[in-house]
Amino acid sequence: TQLLEQSPQFLSIQEGENLTVYCNSSSVFSSLQWYRQEPGEGPVLLVTVVTGGEVKKLKRLTFQFGDARKDSSLHITAAQPGDTGLYLCAGADAGGTSYGKLTFGQGTILTVHP
Amino acid sequence: GAVVSQHPSWVICKSGTSVKIECRSLDFQATTMFWYRQFPKQSLMLMATSNEGSKATYEQGVEKDKFLINHASLTLSTLTVTSAHPEDSSFYICSAREDGYSPLHFGNGTRLTVT
Repeated sequence: TQLLEQSPQFLSIQEGENLTVYCNSSSVFSSLQWYRQEPGEGPVLLVTVVTGGEVKKLKRLTFQFGDARKDSSLHITAAQPGDTGLYLCAGADAGGTSYGKLTFGQGTILTVHP
Repeated sequence: GAVVSQHPSWVICKSGTSVKIECRSLDFQATTMFWYRQFPKQSLMLMATSNEGSKATYEQGVEKDKFLINHASLTLSTLTVTSAHPEDSSFYICSAREDGYSPLHFGNGTRLTVT
């Protein structure tokens, strides 16, 4: 069974601060996705990283996939209240009948105070 | 873009009754759909993988007779919570993908409350 350890579980910061969320595993994933979820809604895909060492930027969000494809990080610069939500990382199995099956991290509840 | 519609968005039922939740892919054919359960402020827990035309694959600890999954067409999968109890109250989310190389698309979830 593949596990993804996501940290921190809770993050409460002031507007303008920077933050980083981590996802770590002992398993290799074919790809890793980051999602953001609002209360009462389904997760919305932010980014997919596929290549070891890959870095993707989405405005103030920077996503990195570890060289060994076992870990990833999400860095938010100058956080805004609109960034508040539940952030989830999810790793995709490499193959077989479970191809595409996602293993989710525990989630990070981010609260950005104005 | 691809859209996955989940219905109903919320449902309240009495203990002992059964509830059916639908997951539809609106503009693509989904060979595989996944069903998740989510408790407040927690992550998604995969319940089962549903492949069109075949039996669902349940995760360890998920009762297949309790949570019936049917994937009768390429655009519809249903999850039926049978003989619901208050501990079944949760947020249920489905996701779907067109094939093994396509990204997953999530529905907006169904809030089930069993009284």
